[in-house]
Amino acid sequence: DGGITQSPKYLFRKEGQNVTLSCEQNLNHDAMYWYRQDPGQGLRLIYYSQIVNDFQKGDIAEGYSVSREKKESFPLTVTSAQKNPTAFYLCASEPGQGYGYTFGSGTRLTVV
Amino acid sequence: KNQVEQSPQSLIILEGKNCTLQCNYTVSPFSNLRWYKQDTGRGPVSLTIMTFSENTKSNGRYTATLDADTKQSSLHITASQLSDSASYICVVSPVAFSGGYQKVTFGTGTKLQVIP
Repeated sequence: DGGITQSPKYLFRKEGQNVTLSCEQNLNHDAMYWYRQDPGQGLRLIYYSQIVNDFQKGDIAEGYSVSREKKESFPLTVTSAQKNPTAFYLCASEPGQGYGYTFGSGTRLTVV
Repeated sequence: KNQVEQSPQSLIILEGKNCTLQCNYTVSPFSNLRWYKQDTGRGPVSLTIMTFSENTKSNGRYTATLDADTKQSSLHITASQLSDSASYICVVSPVAFSGGYQKVTFGTGTKLQVIP
């Protein structure tokens, strides 16, 4: 079955540490997105990529980085510069802009 | 500024009852509106997607309506089940112009709890 897979499901980060969240899709979608979800807030866009080897900052990109070397993969790195990284992170993809997202199951990141 | 407002914030209903969730938006120019269901600790799953010309769309016990003139949408759940307990998120997309990215706007969701 085609889908979008995020790993790990839970991730713990120590102060000053960089961590990478994985997002893989086998839907042949061109566009991929990373969102952050905090309680009581709508999803906020971190980074997006409309095509391989190209990505753009979203509304809250500070302290995060991404790469898009393959169509299937869009990993997100949470760097030590992100001061409040505890949140639920969602990866999404769609065939092209406006077609409708397929979301992954999410990664919950906690700072310890 | 594009905004999506959902009401109520939370709702508790008895199993078997119907309920209606509301979504008002100011996104312009409008392209489509989607409703998603998000179980706790999971990613959102699409229920319906409606474009400007559609005013009703059903997916099983879920029926979404759209009034593009008043910029309002509703999601009606019929004969609720315990498994309907989740957050329901309204998402509105503007028209995507060639070469540019048009940001999707998310509502904050309605948290529905269905009790026996």
